[in-house]
Amino acid sequence: GAVVSQHPSWVICKSGTSVKIECRSLDFQATTMFWYRQFPKQSLMLMATSNEGSKATYEQGVEKDKFLINHASLTLSTLTVTSAHPEDSSFYICSGGAGIQETQYFGPGTRLLVL
Amino acid sequence: DAKTTQPTSMDCAEGRAANLPCNHSTISGNEYVYWYRQIHSQGPQYIIHGLKNNETNEMASLIITEDRKSSTLILPHATLRDTAVYYCIVRRTGTASKLTFGTGTRLQVTL
Repeated sequence: GAVVSQHPSWVICKSGTSVKIECRSLDFQATTMFWYRQFPKQSLMLMATSNEGSKATYEQGVEKDKFLINHASLTLSTLTVTSAHPEDSSFYICSGGAGIQETQYFGPGTRLLVL
Repeated sequence: DAKTTQPTSMDCAEGRAANLPCNHSTISGNEYVYWYRQIHSQGPQYIIHGLKNNETNEMASLIITEDRKSSTLILPHATLRDTAVYYCIVRRTGTASKLTFGTGTRLQVTL
């Protein structure tokens, strides 16, 4: 299957700071990537759709000014959590589609802890 | 995208086949059935997908009923490393077609 990487794998930051998470498709190009977050003992929740060369689309209830998404190339999408607060602590996961049917392949996730 | 219903949890003895059911009675003609699994603290792993024919790969088999209202994922010889949450998702193919995760089935493989 196709490979997606994320960096960093985990990050601890102070409240009020910004954190950038990178999502890379290593062996395929992705015009669209998706960002999810997962709280403990819950399922994945879609946050936004990242579109190469255009604005991201956000799911209802997700603040676009807080979760900045940039998809500047066909292999890289970034999610920046601005002015992070403890309630933003979560597991953030990205995915990209590969193959004719755009089967989604997921990154290993980034665990964010905001103190 | 159509919703799916899965049992909350299942147990399976190591070495035996694990059969994970999924109901998707409102599936549309252009929607595929996808299976992913998530091992603790990792990103979801793609397993298999199909439209209407049964499918098999190195990881699992997917059996879809003729009316496409349900399917079964089969892990032929479960190992302890197959312990995970398994998600059945129906989805149209295409770039903008997102995955909507339900609660999945927590499979516990035991000795």
